[in-house]
Amino acid sequence: QQQVKQSPQSLIVQKGGISIINCAYENTAFDYFPWYQQFPGKGPALLIAIRPDVSEKKEGRFTISFNKSAKQFSLHIMDSQPGDSATYFCAASSNTGKLIFGQGTTLQVKP
Amino acid sequence: EPEVTQTPSHQVTQMGQEVILRCVPISNHLYFYWYRQILGQKVEFLVSFYNNEISEKSEIFDDQFSVERPDGSNFTLKIRSTKLEDSAMYFCASSEVLAAYNEQFFGPGTRLTVL
Repeated sequence: QQQVKQSPQSLIVQKGGISIINCAYENTAFDYFPWYQQFPGKGPALLIAIRPDVSEKKEGRFTISFNKSAKQFSLHIMDSQPGDSATYFCAASSNTGKLIFGQGTTLQVKP
Repeated sequence: EPEVTQTPSHQVTQMGQEVILRCVPISNHLYFYWYRQILGQKVEFLVSFYNNEISEKSEIFDDQFSVERPDGSNFTLKIRSTKLEDSAMYFCASSEVLAAYNEQFFGPGTRLTVL
């Protein structure tokens, strides 16, 4: 019940395309859903996050869509750029602050 | 911009040896975390720490692990007797407050290799 399932494991997108990464959770106590971006040799860095009282959050080219009834959320990267090539992790947490991470998606954006 | 720092960046040790991984959280943060990432796998929570006490720990964080904030700035993770399966990237994180929706800032990690 503490798991967060993420797909796909890897993704290749052409420059300018849309990258979509999906996550699903089971624990209804989760009330915070961040996405982290990780470049090789670096720690994860917060990209964008959403709380379950909204269905969508947009920051620049990055959008989270959240479906509370389905217990699913997704990251959309519009106009994907080669600099977006990284590993993306969805995560979830409740009021303890502990982050439960998904398995990660390695995104490659081809020029 | 404030950041979490970790030392060393890479630690190689023999099985059965003790290792101490060090972290300097962001100065005004009060909540501290250790996570680990085995190569190619997801990031896993180990422990959270607040007010000089462990707040929560995972099943991974057994008696071989301990954490300490020895001097008000450093936050350390000690593994008493390392095993081969402890080889992983260890990330320290800190946050200003304890709230589900409060950003945790991660350090660059320490790669631990147990031979």
